[in-house]
Amino acid sequence: AQRVTQPEKLLSVFKGAPVELKCNYSYSGSPELFWYVQYSRQRLQLLLRHISRESIKGFTADLNKGETSFHLKKPFAQEEDSAMYYCALLYNFNKFYFGSGTKLNVKP
Amino acid sequence: GAVVSQHPSRVICKSGTSVKIECRSLDFQATTMFWYRQFPKQSLMLMATSNEGSKATYEQGVEKDKFLINHASLTLSTLTVTSAHPEDSSFYICSVGRENTGELFFGEGSRLTVL
Repeated sequence: AQRVTQPEKLLSVFKGAPVELKCNYSYSGSPELFWYVQYSRQRLQLLLRHISRESIKGFTADLNKGETSFHLKKPFAQEEDSAMYYCALLYNFNKFYFGSGTKLNVKP
Repeated sequence: GAVVSQHPSRVICKSGTSVKIECRSLDFQATTMFWYRQFPKQSLMLMATSNEGSKATYEQGVEKDKFLINHASLTLSTLTVTSAHPEDSSFYICSVGRENTGELFFGEGSRLTVL
């Protein structure tokens, strides 16, 4: 059963527009959710985690347990935000389920 | 700098041969490392958890005799794809988790092509 769902494979927005990358999860325990990002020709790296409630590079994500969602948002997209974004659910102490990823393309 | 180093980044081999991929933790000692596999346009799938000094833990559906994992030291884990077949062609990524944070650090990945 799929634990993490990212419904959009590709999201294209213009520079300066708001962006929201969707993530829904299915998990019976208390979820810990993360967003990882992969810029072109670079390795996957952590963007943010819900427990820290921080904003990284202008991105925020709020865990909504009622809707089982952890959408990633940014009010004004920049071209350098273009990348692959993966939502990830931590389970069993140290293992992750990853979503299928959303490619964000920010057009000039 | 990089926390995790993976080698080789690309490898092409003939069907039936074995290929070894190395994963090194550069910044801290890792009793546990993780091996993921990624098919084109698909998500990362956890294959196995590499445990230093003991047997690896494989996820359901992953053949342990096909994907041999050795974690002989606190900084090195190796994945050997034995008797490789074209369907084993994929992107293999290792990662190391920083304890108590849940954060994963990823290697740059190894693209295996089996002819």
